[in-house]
Amino acid sequence: NAGVTQTPKFQVLKTGQSMTLQCAQDMNHEYMSWYRQDPGMGLRLIHYSVGAGITDQGEVPNGYNVSRSTTEDFPLRLLSAAPSQTSVYFCASSYSEDYEQYFGPGTRLTVT
Amino acid sequence: AQSVTQLGSHVSVSEGALVLLRCNYSSSVPPYLFWYVQYPNQGLQLLLKYTSAATLVKGINGFEAEFKKSETSFHLTKPSAHMSDAAEYFCAAVGDGGATNKLIFGTGTLLAVQP
Repeated sequence: NAGVTQTPKFQVLKTGQSMTLQCAQDMNHEYMSWYRQDPGMGLRLIHYSVGAGITDQGEVPNGYNVSRSTTEDFPLRLLSAAPSQTSVYFCASSYSEDYEQYFGPGTRLTVT
Repeated sequence: AQSVTQLGSHVSVSEGALVLLRCNYSSSVPPYLFWYVQYPNQGLQLLLKYTSAATLVKGINGFEAEFKKSETSFHLTKPSAHMSDAAEYFCAAVGDGGATNKLIFGTGTLLAVQP
């Protein structure tokens, strides 16, 4: 199993550009989520999904969109990038009956 | 409000010394608690988890944590630090009363190990 994979590993955007961060898992996990990690703030939940076709907002959803058309994939879209979105983004997944989450390696995003 | 608090954003110990990383959680969160470790430029890896079984939980790499409901604490310990333990450690709890798998994270503790 590859576990949770994320692409790209690094990305630099200009203010106003859009892009999609990819996340995939091969463990047939129902639950998937996106976090951002900023120094001194831990990880904060952006969006999550409890299954294909079902998504909901987390703590810091503004400026981000998600969709979940398959069990495996959970892309995160930045609609119009802002410098405040410079961060490290982590995708995670778990079985719905188990709270243990498995994390991807992260995407380091810089918005100039 | 549900919260997880990690006391000490930076902890420095000597190699061979006791490691103690502190975590307190708000009493409103259900008793599902986790410690994750993050090595530089990597994702988060589960160290150990508490899920209402034994209060003393053993994890990987010689770490363990004790769930103390009366103190709302879940401190992480290791008897003897190794240089390879240098990393950032995050305590996390299940939010939403356990209705979903959302995790609430503490702000992290960066552990430095001095030779």
